[in-house]
Amino acid sequence: RKEVEQDPGPFNVPEGATVAFNCTYSNSASQSFFWYRQDCRKEPKLLMSVYSSGNEDGRFTAQLNRASQYISLLIRDSKLSDSATYLCVVAPKAGTALIFGKGTTLSVSS
Amino acid sequence: DAGVIQSPRHEVTEMGQEVTLRCKPISGHNSLFWYRQTMMRGLELLIYFNNNVPIDDSGMPEDRFSAKMPNASFSTLKIQPSEPRDSAVYFCASTSKGELAFFGPGTRLTVL
Repeated sequence: RKEVEQDPGPFNVPEGATVAFNCTYSNSASQSFFWYRQDCRKEPKLLMSVYSSGNEDGRFTAQLNRASQYISLLIRDSKLSDSATYLCVVAPKAGTALIFGKGTTLSVSS
Repeated sequence: DAGVIQSPRHEVTEMGQEVTLRCKPISGHNSLFWYRQTMMRGLELLIYFNNNVPIDDSGMPEDRFSAKMPNASFSTLKIQPSEPRDSAVYFCASTSKGELAFFGPGTRLTVL
């Protein structure tokens, strides 16, 4: 089983749609969780951290279910500029390197 | 802050040649990571350093790959000899919080 698994997509949605991405991780002792965004031919950049209580940043909502080892990202009112690859990221423990999923590709069309 | 700096941005070389990739982390960051990204395998951790000391190099594919961090502001990743299957984008990232990583723009390597 891969350490971090994501549905690769692509997800093709119209502007204004709500879209959800899911991710599972294999190490139950993992401590920190993130979503990164990667635009075509660019480096990954932090989108948001994911907290156990769930957290929201504008149109983006992240959820963590430790019991199921499951992370989600919800994007509301999709914009054309949301088109990118979204990477689910797990830190096994403090001070260790981040483990990345292969990413889910989102394409938002007008 | 200039962010993580990598050079070269693009490298095209022939099989068997030595390739050296360079990275300057963000000033004050104490951890540095080398990742490789391909379509097939996604982002893979190659090696990471804490305070210039290699901590985990289990992701380094084979002996052809080596990495050094002689000081807090510079690291290299060397491939010798290079092979076509080494073609990928190589990212360097740094962090000061032990988890949150800032990436450089990457080096796109093509081995013919």
